[in-house]
Amino acid sequence: NAGVTQTPKFQVLKTGQSMTLQCAQDMNHEYMSWYRQDPGMGLRLIHYSVGAGITDQGEVPNGYNVSRSTTEDFPLRLLSAAPSQTSVYFCASLGLGQGLTEAFFGQGTRLTVV
Amino acid sequence: AQRVTQPEKLLSVFKGAPVELKCNYSYSGSPELFWYVQYSRQRLQLLLRHISRESIKGFTADLNKGETSFHLKKPFAQEEDSAMYYCALKRDSTLGRLYFGRGTQLTVWP
Repeated sequence: NAGVTQTPKFQVLKTGQSMTLQCAQDMNHEYMSWYRQDPGMGLRLIHYSVGAGITDQGEVPNGYNVSRSTTEDFPLRLLSAAPSQTSVYFCASLGLGQGLTEAFFGQGTRLTVV
Repeated sequence: AQRVTQPEKLLSVFKGAPVELKCNYSYSGSPELFWYVQYSRQRLQLLLRHISRESIKGFTADLNKGETSFHLKKPFAQEEDSAMYYCALKRDSTLGRLYFGRGTQLTVWP
C-alpha cells in the first residue's frame, strides 16, 4: 500500500519556467490538498479538492493551478515560477466521513526557483 | 473563523525532562484537534487525535474546551522526540480541510 506518492522529490527551476508537481494516492480518499511549508510559517493550504472534478482555493492559491480528473491524482501546476515559490510542497489526502480523520502526507517536494 | 496558535517556535529540553507543547485554538463550533509530527527528512504523520484519548510514544493531549487548548505533554522527553510538531484543527468530520498552527520545533538534548 503506497499511500500518497509525490514526484519529484527535488526540483530546481528558473524564474518564469512552469512545471507540474505530481501527487497520487491509492486509498480512495475523496479529499486531497496541497500545502507549502516555509520556515516560521507552518503549513499553508494552496488548493484542495473534495472529489473528482471539484477544486477550491486555499490560503495561498496565487501562481498555482490544480485539477482533479480522477480520485487518485491531484497535480499542482506552477504557471510561471517565481523565487517566492521556493518552498517544500506537501500533498495530503483524507477520507471524508465519521471516523476517517487521519490525513496522509506525501514525502514532499523541495522546490528551488532561481 | 478558525485559528490555531502555537506560541513557541522553538522548544528545547534535556533528556528525561518533562515537555509541554502548547496549542490554542479559536472556533465557535466543536472541532476535532490533532497533533502531527515531522521527524527530520520524513513526511508528516499523525501523532494524536483528541477523540481517541490515547497515549502515543508517551505523549498525551487533552482537549480543554474552557481554555480552548490542546497542549501536548510528555513526562520524560527522549532524544528521538526531537522533531517539528504541528497542532491542527478540523471543523467537522465531513469536511477534509485541516487548519495548522505554525509548528514548534522540539529539540531534546542528551
